[in-house]
Amino acid sequence: GQQVMQIPQYQHVQEGEDFTTYCNSSTTLSNIQWYKQRPGGHPVFLIQLVKSGEVKKQKRLTFQFGEAKKNSSLHITATQTTDVGTYFCAGGAGSYQLTFGKGTKLSVIP
Amino acid sequence: DAGITQSPRHKVTETGTPVTLRCHQTENHRYMYWYRQDPGHGLRLIHYSYGVKDTDKGEVSDGYSVSRSKTEDFLLTLESATSSQTSVYFCAISRTGEKETQYFGPGTRLLVL
Repeated sequence: GQQVMQIPQYQHVQEGEDFTTYCNSSTTLSNIQWYKQRPGGHPVFLIQLVKSGEVKKQKRLTFQFGEAKKNSSLHITATQTTDVGTYFCAGGAGSYQLTFGKGTKLSVIP
Repeated sequence: DAGITQSPRHKVTETGTPVTLRCHQTENHRYMYWYRQDPGHGLRLIHYSYGVKDTDKGEVSDGYSVSRSKTEDFLLTLESATSSQTSVYFCAISRTGEKETQYFGPGTRLLVL
């Protein structure tokens, strides 16, 4: 079955440093999505990428979808304490199911 | 807010007892999902539904059953709870027209002693 690997599992950064998490799928995806889960909260949808090579930005967050539609990344510029949480990628295969990566837990040291 | 509620929000039960978790949505969406979340495992799909009385198994369905007799409610039952089913359970929906994007409920923390 489809597998989605996400690295790193944990990342500790000083406030103001950049952060990147990477996602790789074992199969070609129709789309990739990113979710954020704050401590004690539930996953919240951030963005969906559909096109090969697509890049989208949300303020300090930059999302990329690889040319082969098998990998993706999320980059946060100049992290803030409000960025703390776990970031999940999720691969879609054209059905109504997603395969989630295990997430990257981001800690920001003030 | 996708109009999703889960009940109960917290539950402690004993091994061997049946447990039913409820997910309720207010927007009449067709697709609903049950996930469990455990440290080191991320979100794993238990069961999903694509309509009233239409359900299918996910990745980790053993020990769980579901029912959907109304569009708005999706029930997850642990027939005989085990300690390995201690977890946080999330319900999610896919909005009509937003294929595959999922919106999650607040979760239920279940402890099986």
